[in-house]
Amino acid sequence: GAGVSQSPSNKVTEKGKDVELRCDPISGHTALYWYRQRLGQGLEFLIYFQGNSAPDKSGLPSDRFSAERTGESVSTLTIQRTQQEDSAVYLCASSRGGVTDTQYFGPGTRLTVL
Amino acid sequence: AQSVTQLGSHVSVSEGALVLLRCNYSSSVPPYLFWYVQYPNQGLQLLLKYTTGATLVKGINGFEAEFKKSETSFHLTKPSAHMSDAAEYFCAVRAGWGDSGAGSYQLTFGKGTKLSVIP
Repeated sequence: GAGVSQSPSNKVTEKGKDVELRCDPISGHTALYWYRQRLGQGLEFLIYFQGNSAPDKSGLPSDRFSAERTGESVSTLTIQRTQQEDSAVYLCASSRGGVTDTQYFGPGTRLTVL
Repeated sequence: AQSVTQLGSHVSVSEGALVLLRCNYSSSVPPYLFWYVQYPNQGLQLLLKYTTGATLVKGINGFEAEFKKSETSFHLTKPSAHMSDAAEYFCAVRAGWGDSGAGSYQLTFGKGTKLSVIP
């Protein structure tokens, strides 16, 4: 079956603009995660969705970051008024939802803020 | 809260030599541990994971890792390196049962170790 897909694969934007990143999880996966990977760094957790429960937003770095997910389908991560420090690869992962279940990662969106 | 330390941001081995990538973790409860591999311009792929049971875990592509609670370690090994093993490797920890705080399901990643294989 299809894996996790993300779009766009690359995004170049100017400082101050808003951007939207999209994630299509594996069908049937109830859990969805967003992570950020800065150059030379490990992955940082941003936000977690599990079914219809309230999302865990504890990793969002500022109120410029927000994410939505409708049911168990597509999620969008929005960054408002982008800053140069937002430049990173944004990775989405999905899983069946159990605490030991494997998270399957998408290829990521490389965001460059000029 | 949990954390992961990967010793060595870059490791070079000769083709056919032993691969050893080190990972130490801290966790207030018994952890679930993962190794992911990232090939250039690709997403992360799970190599192996430890949840419960046998502490020696075998994964794909001939890799294995051993959970050592006394050493808080989960080092990744492969007896004989292949050119195709050149990639970046990430160790990750997730809180196990007992940590009921928000964010228990997220993974905490190390900074990664880039493996080079010399022909």
